[in-house]
Amino acid sequence: DAGVTQSPTHLIKTRGQHVTLRCSPISGHKSVSWYQQVLGQGPQFIFQYYEKEERGRGNFPDRFSARQFPNYSSELNVNALLLGDSALYLCASSLEAGRYTFGSGTRLTVV
Amino acid sequence: QQQVKQSPQSLIVQKGGIPIINCAYENTAFDYFPWYQQFPGKGPALLIAIRPDVSEKKEGRFTISFNKSAKQFSLHIMDSQPGDSATYFCAASMTSGTYKYIFGTGTRLKVLA
Repeated sequence: DAGVTQSPTHLIKTRGQHVTLRCSPISGHKSVSWYQQVLGQGPQFIFQYYEKEERGRGNFPDRFSARQFPNYSSELNVNALLLGDSALYLCASSLEAGRYTFGSGTRLTVV
Repeated sequence: QQQVKQSPQSLIVQKGGIPIINCAYENTAFDYFPWYQQFPGKGPALLIAIRPDVSEKKEGRFTISFNKSAKQFSLHIMDSQPGDSATYFCAASMTSGTYKYIFGTGTRLKVLA
């Protein structure tokens, strides 16, 4: 069984640019969440989607947006990148409430 | 009220020792408490989780102790091995509405051979 897959694994962007991160959940999982993990910190909740609808949003600026597609895959978009957006972005999928499986993440570096 | 406080920040034990990592929460609406293990460059992997209706749960060498009245829970790793060297995160969530996790700040564990 494939786990949660994220792409790309690494990328480097320049301040002010836009980035799109992609996530494919485990087959059968309808819920996808996004987390930001800054080096040395615990992951911080950004968004949760269930059945293509936004279920929750964390304390992140409007530069962050996301969507979920009919096949339950998801995209996280970040506009006007700042140096502080450099982090590991994690996608997690769930079949049942409270039990999330995380992907390996996308390491974003903003220079 | 949404914070989860985790300690210690780092921990070094000898092989075979029993490292203990502690977490405390404030929001009594939390009803699911997982522990995740994370290796460098990887995403967190679920180790074990507990709900507040039990005081202890054991899976293999990992045990969670839960104290509902004190709003604290801890992870014990029995017979620790060098391969257990990783960062451990506790988390808390409500299994209704938005199932977001509130993570602790992490504990970097090193098990010496």
